[in-house]
Amino acid sequence: GEDVEQSLFLSVREGDSSVINCTYTDSSSTYLYWYKQEPGAGLQLLTYIFSNMDMKQDQRLTVLLNKKDKHLSLRIADTQTGDSAIYFCAERGNAGNMLTFGGGTRLMVKP
Amino acid sequence: SAVISQKPSRDICQRGTSLTIQCQVDSQVTMMFWYRQQPGQSLTLIATANQGSEATYESGFVIDKFPISRPNLTFSTLTVSNMSPEDSSIYLCSVTRLAGVNEQFFGPGTRLTVL
Repeated sequence: GEDVEQSLFLSVREGDSSVINCTYTDSSSTYLYWYKQEPGAGLQLLTYIFSNMDMKQDQRLTVLLNKKDKHLSLRIADTQTGDSAIYFCAERGNAGNMLTFGGGTRLMVKP
Repeated sequence: SAVISQKPSRDICQRGTSLTIQCQVDSQVTMMFWYRQQPGQSLTLIATANQGSEATYESGFVIDKFPISRPNLTFSTLTVSNMSPEDSSIYLCSVTRLAGVNEQFFGPGTRLTVL
């Protein structure tokens, strides 16, 4: 099956930028997503990008997509303590709406 | 976005029993999915809930263990049958409004612990 990989953990200081990386194997991915999961909560859709785009910006969030290398990143500018959570990337192939998730990156923001 | 509620939010169950989880959406949606998130793990798709017909199960999941109903466009249930401690997970309902639409939203999840 298709794979989506993320690093397990990232620690940053408040006010710094965070960059969370994701790689995937499905060359037919149509959309790629970033979700945020706070402790004890469900998944919150943060943003998504169409596979023919290479960048999308939404306030503090910037998504970069390198389709050739199958690499996706999420940059959070001016990271706040409230950004501490687990961030999941997910990809959707061209056969239906099913999402394949990465293992999640736990972001810890130190004051 | 879609407002999705799940009941129960959490439960502790005995081995061998069954639990039915409900997913209610505030408006009609086309696609409804059930995912499982085992402790410390990522999400795995269990099945796609189809209105008026049998659910479509992913590899490793079967109807006898995870029967699913979807009587209309706003409601679905997932039953976890004959539970064992390995079924302890968060079960999440997910929806998209229209087929092919890009945004997929998740419910708050049901945290199940099986003793």
